[in-house]
Amino acid sequence: KQEVTQIPAALSVPEGENLVLNCSFTDSAIYNLQWFRQDPGKGLTSLLLIQSSQREQTSGRLNASLDKSSGRSTLYIAASQPGDSATYLCAERTGFQKLVFGTGTRLLVSP
Amino acid sequence: EPEVTQTPSHQVTQMGQEVILRCVPISNHLYFYWYRQILGQKVEFLVSFYNNEISEKSEIFDDQFSVERPDGSNFTLKIRSTKLEDSAMYFCASTLSGGYRGNTGELFFGEGSRLTVL
Repeated sequence: KQEVTQIPAALSVPEGENLVLNCSFTDSAIYNLQWFRQDPGKGLTSLLLIQSSQREQTSGRLNASLDKSSGRSTLYIAASQPGDSATYLCAERTGFQKLVFGTGTRLLVSP
Repeated sequence: EPEVTQTPSHQVTQMGQEVILRCVPISNHLYFYWYRQILGQKVEFLVSFYNNEISEKSEIFDDQFSVERPDGSNFTLKIRSTKLEDSAMYFCASTLSGGYRGNTGELFFGEGSRLTVL
């Protein structure tokens, strides 16, 4: 069964720290991996998408990497800000159909 | 920028009532999805829809659920007889393609419809 796990489940850091969120997936036939941000009670905002042929993608202070052989992706957030506080979700797509979501990492950045 | 829109943003209903959640996907997209998220839990896949038919559905998507694309713009999720456990946030998503011809296959999500069943 396809599973996606995220570690840690929650993270609290002071403003300015660089941090890494981890995502593990079991299905090696990955097509792409998408990182999302979710604010409380809100929808899913797409942050980055990495194709299976890529190793990483960058957008501003965010960098996502993909290692298919180990079944892992990481989201690196540089110089964290209080506005980064949210839940971060990764989701794996193995075909042209559905995404399978991870459990999420709840991030709190304190001023 | 094109976006997926969902209505209503919040609906409260009595157990046993029928509910229809509506979505307007991005206009040139071809694949459509419904997901749900029970409070505090993972986002779960319900159903995918392509070429006017269901292409995949999860175990959650039983006979109480149905989807329809009644015209060229709307995509609806119907729950025939709601149960307490149907209370969740329901997300609609769309994508242009499966990633062929250079398209990334990125899914775009709406803001969600919160369903509360009493």
